[in-house]
Parts: sequence; structure tokens; C-alpha cells
Amino acid sequence: EPEVTQTPSHQVTQMGQEVILRCVPISNHLYFYWYRQILGQKVEFLVSFYNNEISEKSEIFDDQFSVERPDGSNFTLKIRSTKLEDSAMYFCASSDQGLANYGYTFGSGTRLTVV
Amino acid sequence: DAKTTQPNSMESNEEEPVHLPCNHSTISGTDYIHWYRQLPSQGPEYVIHGLTSNVNNRMASLAIAEDRKSSTLILHRATLRDAAVYYCILRPQETSGSRLTFGEGTQLTVNP
Repeated sequence: EPEVTQTPSHQVTQMGQEVILRCVPISNHLYFYWYRQILGQKVEFLVSFYNNEISEKSEIFDDQFSVERPDGSNFTLKIRSTKLEDSAMYFCASSDQGLANYGYTFGSGTRLTVV
Repeated sequence: DAKTTQPNSMESNEEEPVHLPCNHSTISGTDYIHWYRQLPSQGPEYVIHGLTSNVNNRMASLAIAEDRKSSTLILHRATLRDAAVYYCILRPQETSGSRLTFGEGTQLTVNP
């Protein structure tokens, strides 16, 4: 079954450093998403991406965050200057269509630890 | 966004059926009802969705009340691998690429 692949599985970074989290969505999917989950809390939406531009973003997704699809396969989330509170699991997801009668496929996540 | 209400936790025995309820009394006529689950240390996983009619797939069944104000996810024979947090989420039909809004979900424990 097709999978969404995320790398690395775990990243430790120093506060103030830039990090890039990488995702390879399912190849024929058109919609891409990033979510995060702080330990013990709910899964939270960050951003959705379609046709090479952001289609929706949450209030969490401030100027420190950016997303890119640098080539035909990768989808990245960059955090420019990490803070301690950015420590969380980050999940990438993709969907074939963005319609409400389609499901998403999530990756296994990247655990980001900011020290 | 219409809200969903689920019990915080439920318990089941292995190989028995499990009925996970969800209330969504403010659902609009065009909202799809989606279910996802999250196994420990993993990303959410799509389980099933429906609009008005009951739905079956290889993972589960979804029973939707006639007034659509509640739904029930049915796992026909629970296994230890089904221990997870189960989320009931409404998705508006009108908006493409819309976000999933996760609540607290129901933590399902499966006893051997």
C-alpha cells in the first residue's frame, strides 16, 4: 500500500537553529498537509498546500514556518529559528483529492526536540 | 465548525465487537463524518467515512443515525492491534483541501 514517508524520524536541534523536515507524499496525490502534536496534546493543523501554493494555514503557522515543494516528490516544512515550544511530533499528510469524501494518508512523523 | 463529542476512553476484550460512539448534534447537511485512529507513536490513520448511509470497509463499519446527529464506529472483532485513540471528525463538503480538526478522541484499550 502506498505510504507517506517522513525523514528524519527524530531530530534534535538547538534553540534558534533552522530545521527542515522532509516528506515524500504519495506520488499521485495533489494536496499536502503538515500537522503537529505536542506531547500529550491534540493533533493540530499547520498548513495545507495545493498547486504549489499554501491553500490554508492556521494561526500557529507564523512567519517562522514555511513550506516548499522543491521538486516533484518532496514536500518540506522549514522552521527558521526554533523555539523550545516547537518541540513536537510533526506529521505530513497527503490526499488524492482535497474533497471531503476522500481520506488523508499520514506519515509516521518526525519527532523534533529543541534543546 | 461543527463539534463532535466522544467518550474519553473505552475498554474491550480481544475478539469481541467494539462500538465507539460519536455525537455531532450540530452537523450540517453537507458534512462528511470521518473516523481516524492513532496507534501509539504513529501518525493518524484513516479508518472510514460516510455521509448518510452506513458504510463498511475492511477495517470497520460506520453506522450513521437517521438524523445524522450521531454515529458509531464498529470494529467487528477487536484485536490487540486495534488499541489506539479513535477520532470522529466532520469535514464540510464545500471546502476543498480543508483541514482535519482533531479533538481528544476515544482511547480504546483492548484486553487479551
